[in-house]
Amino acid sequence: GAVVSQHPSRVICKSGTSVKIECRSLDFQATTMFWYRQFPKQSLMLMATSNEGSKATYEQGVEKDKFLINHASLTLSTLTVTSAHPEDSSFYICSARLGGASKEQFFGPGTRLTVL
Amino acid sequence: GEDVEQSLFLSVREGDSSVINCTYTDSSSTYLYWYKQEPGAGLQLLTYIFSNMDMKQDQRLTVLLNKKDKHLSLRIADTQTGDSAIYFCAERGYSSASKIIFGSGTRLSIRP
Repeated sequence: GAVVSQHPSRVICKSGTSVKIECRSLDFQATTMFWYRQFPKQSLMLMATSNEGSKATYEQGVEKDKFLINHASLTLSTLTVTSAHPEDSSFYICSARLGGASKEQFFGPGTRLTVL
Repeated sequence: GEDVEQSLFLSVREGDSSVINCTYTDSSSTYLYWYKQEPGAGLQLLTYIFSNMDMKQDQRLTVLLNKKDKHLSLRIADTQTGDSAIYFCAERGYSSASKIIFGSGTRLSIRP
């Protein structure tokens, strides 16, 4: 299957700082990328859908000013957690779809964010 | 709204078959997926099935779909210790705007 990478895999930061997470589709162009958040022993919660060249669409309850998403190219999307707080600590997973209506959606390895 | 449900835990003996069940509510679901998540890792797409199919087999994996009952199952033959993971059932519609809806995940553990 297609490969999606994330960087960094783990990050520890102080409360109040901003953290940027990168998501790349390595061997395909992704028109649409998705950002999920996963709490321990829970399922994935969709945060936002990101389309290349346009503003991200956020799910209800997700603060767009706190979780900034940029989809600058067909292979790169970034999630910036601004002014991070301990409650933002979580496992963030990105995903990329091969094409708009493509049946296949591939996931990155995840980024573990710990805010002290 | 759309909902996908799975049992939380399953324990099987090594070498036996594992059957993980899933039910969903969205009658317009077009694609149904099974993903595997190992500890600390992302999701690995195991297999998927179109809603117009009843069964799909891929090596040790068999997916059965009962569209009338909105029931999906994943059978893993000859379960090995490496199969220990969380298995997520998921569904989505056909359009480019459709989002994948995940179940809560089933934690599969293997007994020696």
